[in-house]
Amino acid sequence: GQNIDQPTEMTATEGAIVQINCTYQTSGFNGLFWYQQHAGEAPTFLSYNVLDGLEEKGRFSSFLSRSKGYSYLLLKELQMKDSASYLCAVRPSNQAGTALIFGKGTTLSVSS
Amino acid sequence: KAGVTQTPRYLIKTRGQQVTLSCSPISGHRSVSWYQQTPGQGLQFLFEYFSETQRNKGNFPGRFSGRQFSNSRSEMNVSTLELGDSALYLCASSDQAGRSYEQYFGPGTRLTVT
Repeated sequence: GQNIDQPTEMTATEGAIVQINCTYQTSGFNGLFWYQQHAGEAPTFLSYNVLDGLEEKGRFSSFLSRSKGYSYLLLKELQMKDSASYLCAVRPSNQAGTALIFGKGTTLSVSS
Repeated sequence: KAGVTQTPRYLIKTRGQQVTLSCSPISGHRSVSWYQQTPGQGLQFLFEYFSETQRNKGNFPGRFSGRQFSNSRSEMNVSTLELGDSALYLCASSDQAGRSYEQYFGPGTRLTVT
């Protein structure tokens, strides 16, 4: 089966660092994605990992361990605008094309 | 480039009716995927079209169908609507260039079934 788990909700304060974890069990693996979705808006791409290790992009970093079926998204210097849902998604290797299996998302609330 | 567009943005239908949603991908993108988003289940993959062919299909009943035209625009159809079909329907396009096949999402169509 296919299963992606991430915490439902997290809270943090401005300027802090927060780590959102994601564990997955899928039929093969062909990359892990993180998307950000503000309320009422479309998801937007944040990061992509296909090899083990850390990918850094500005205030956001994403880590992958394929052997552990584990990833995290690290958000530094939090801002109020980072309040959003963060979606972890895996591209299974047993399917052609670009289909993604999504977790249910982590709602992050940033307070001042 | 213009982003992914979806029409209509909001729709209210009655149980038993059918509905057609439209998606125009980013210019040059040949892959279009459809997802259903609900509070309980999150984002779930419906199907993907590439060059007018369905390349992949999720675990949804046959009432959900789609197609893609030669200009890459795509439509999805839901027949015999049920209350549980109320959801945000998102489409995403991809150009399959680069290493990640990143998907770009449209704003979605909010379907309410009464």
